[in-house]
Amino acid sequence: QSALTQPASVSGSPGQSITISCTGTSSDVGGYNYVSWYQQHPGKAPKLIIYDVSNRPSGVSNRFSGSKSGNTASLTISGLQAEDEADYYCSSYTSRSTVVFGGGTKLTVL
Amino acid sequence: QVQLVESGGGVVQPGRSLRLSCVASGFTFSRFGMHWVRQAPGKGLEWVAIVWYDGNNKYYGDSVKGRFTISRDNSKNTLFLQMNSLRAEDTALYYCARAGDGYIDYWGQGTLVTVSS
Repeated sequence: QSALTQPASVSGSPGQSITISCTGTSSDVGGYNYVSWYQQHPGKAPKLIIYDVSNRPSGVSNRFSGSKSGNTASLTISGLQAEDEADYYCSSYTSRSTVVFGGGTKLTVL
Repeated sequence: QVQLVESGGGVVQPGRSLRLSCVASGFTFSRFGMHWVRQAPGKGLEWVAIVWYDGNNKYYGDSVKGRFTISRDNSKNTLFLQMNSLRAEDTALYYCARAGDGYIDYWGQGTLVTVSS
């Protein structure tokens, strides 16, 4: 099972919006609405920020949003804040009843 | 509140075995599937395995299939990962995590496994 493809890094200035892409196949991202996104700060455990493509868990800022088109999912962060600087991972359920993660994207807030 | 506490990590020689444990609290353990996810130093997340709520279904990542076994004891709210034939590339922080419906909603803080001679 190959990892989902994410850009290694993205950056933006405070107040701007950024989008992180996550590309898979019809056997994972494209085949199910089970795409999730996780935020990980250095030395911390990952935190769920988006599930089922576009749903936000309770307590997660509405500045985070998710979408999907075909085999590519996207995470958008609007109104960038310094605290958003972290690593972001996408994940998908697969046709083999397994889970696959993306390689991760490092977000830098300039 | 949901708590997941891993233990059992340490330094082990290549080819040897190690058993990780994860004690869960703050929710009805027997109603949820559970994952193991690992992260090599400075690297990304890698999914390892999942066991369904009742222990009857188990699935593994390709890199650990045939060497690792996930299991659970619902009477003790505990998740296990038996790791055999360990390799240097298994060196990682191993997270225990609770399964949502197609996602992972809670993570432990991890236990570090180092495979080295």
